[in-house]
Amino acid sequence: DIQMTQSPSSLSASVGDRVTITCRASHSISSYLNWYQQKPGKAPKLLIYAASSLQSGVPSRFSGSGSGTDFTLTISSLQPEDFATYYCQQSYTIPITFGQGTRLDIK
Amino acid sequence: QVQLQESGPGLVKPSQTLSLTCAVSGASISNGGFYSSWIRQRPGKGLEWVGHIHYSGNTYYSPSLKSRVTISMDASKNQFSLRLDSVTAADTAVYFCARDLGREIDYWGQGTLVTVSS
Repeated sequence: DIQMTQSPSSLSASVGDRVTITCRASHSISSYLNWYQQKPGKAPKLLIYAASSLQSGVPSRFSGSGSGTDFTLTISSLQPEDFATYYCQQSYTIPITFGQGTRLDIK
Repeated sequence: QVQLQESGPGLVKPSQTLSLTCAVSGASISNGGFYSSWIRQRPGKGLEWVGHIHYSGNTYYSPSLKSRVTISMDASKNQFSLRLDSVTAADTAVYFCARDLGREIDYWGQGTLVTVSS
């Protein structure tokens, strides 16, 4: 299985901050990397697919980059609705695997 | 707009079988090259892929669950199902059904909590 490791596991930030979350794969996954946002009691929501493509309807303050084993999700200017948990996911091979999540809290 | 809705018992006894169904609207599960997926989330934990079924009928399962899980589809009802045998407390989780385009999961159901307890 490909292991996905996110860092940090939790993060406190303020509205307006620029935030970066990283995801590392245990083997190369090319650009088969997606990012999801999950709020308490809700289903995950797709933000970024194929490492850097913005899902339709997602604000442009979200961006993704990387390929191979190292990836980042950046939120350029945090908004109140962005406080949530973020997951990376590889779709390069079965079994599909997710990172452990990064919880983003208000400072 | 694609919508998915899980249904099934919220309480299952240990050693019994968990059965859930996902009704899909806004897209046909038997057309197009996507997968109908199940993903679960134990309380307070992260996301765990359970498995998926291709519109062709091919199935793929998590190795850790493969001996106990079956995913099937009913194209006539546009729904797909999860069966998990011999459940234990460790199978207590919110179960999500979802549409996997083969590269990303773009639509999710709201999730349903299944508790395994006597």
